[in-house]
Amino acid sequence: GQQLNQSPQSMFIQEGEDVSMNCTSSSIFNTWLWYKQDPGEGPVLLIALYKAGELTSNGRLTAQFGITRKDSFLNISASIPSDVGIYFCAGQLTQNNAGNMLTFGGGTRLMVKP
Amino acid sequence: GAVVSQHPSRVICKSGTSVKIECRSLDFQATTMFWYRQFPKKSLMLMATSNEGSKATYEQGVEKDKFLINHASLTLSTLTVTSAHPEDSSFYICSARNPPGYEQYFGPGTRLTVT
Repeated sequence: GQQLNQSPQSMFIQEGEDVSMNCTSSSIFNTWLWYKQDPGEGPVLLIALYKAGELTSNGRLTAQFGITRKDSFLNISASIPSDVGIYFCAGQLTQNNAGNMLTFGGGTRLMVKP
Repeated sequence: GAVVSQHPSRVICKSGTSVKIECRSLDFQATTMFWYRQFPKKSLMLMATSNEGSKATYEQGVEKDKFLINHASLTLSTLTVTSAHPEDSSFYICSARNPPGYEQYFGPGTRLTVT
C-alpha cells in the first residue's frame, strides 16, 4: 500500500543530542500522527496534529503539521537512552467520517549511545 | 485512557491449523478497529478495517477467507488465521479508534509462528 516518505531511515546519536525526523507525502492529510514502537510491542501514540501549521509539544517532543498539509516533522530534544525505538509518522484523511485508515511512513530507527 | 489489549501475545501453531487473535478496547467503545501485519524492520501494513456489526473491509491482496474478522461487540474484534502456513508467520497488531476522535490506539501485538 501507499507509504509516506519518512527520513532518515535510521539515526545513531549521542545521549543529549537533539533529533529531527520528517515525513512527506504527495497527497494532503488533515491529521498527522507520530507513534513510537519498541521492539515486540505495538506503536504508542506520541503526538496528534489536526491543523495545518500546528506546532504541538509533549515533553521533550515537538511536532509540526506542515502548512501545505503534505508534511510533518518530529523533534526530540536532549535525547536519553529510553528514546531508542522506531518512530512512525502516519497521515490520515478524515473527511465525511470516511478514511479512518492511516497511511504510515517507513519508520525512523533511533539509537542512542549513552 | 484509550487502552487496547491483544491476546495472545505469542502463539505457535502447526501448519494447517487455525489461530484466533483477540483485540479488546478496555476503557472505551470502539466502533472501528483495524488489523495490521508487520514484517521485521518494516512498517505496518493495513489488512482490514473492522466495523462493529458489519462485514470487515479488506485491503487489496488480503484474502478475506484466509483472515476472518469478526467485530461482534463495541469492545472486541477477532482475527482468525485459517489453515495457517509458515508464510503467515508475522507480527499482527490491532488498533482501535476512540470516537469521536480519529486517532488510533494500538494493541501490544501478537507474534504468530507457524511451524
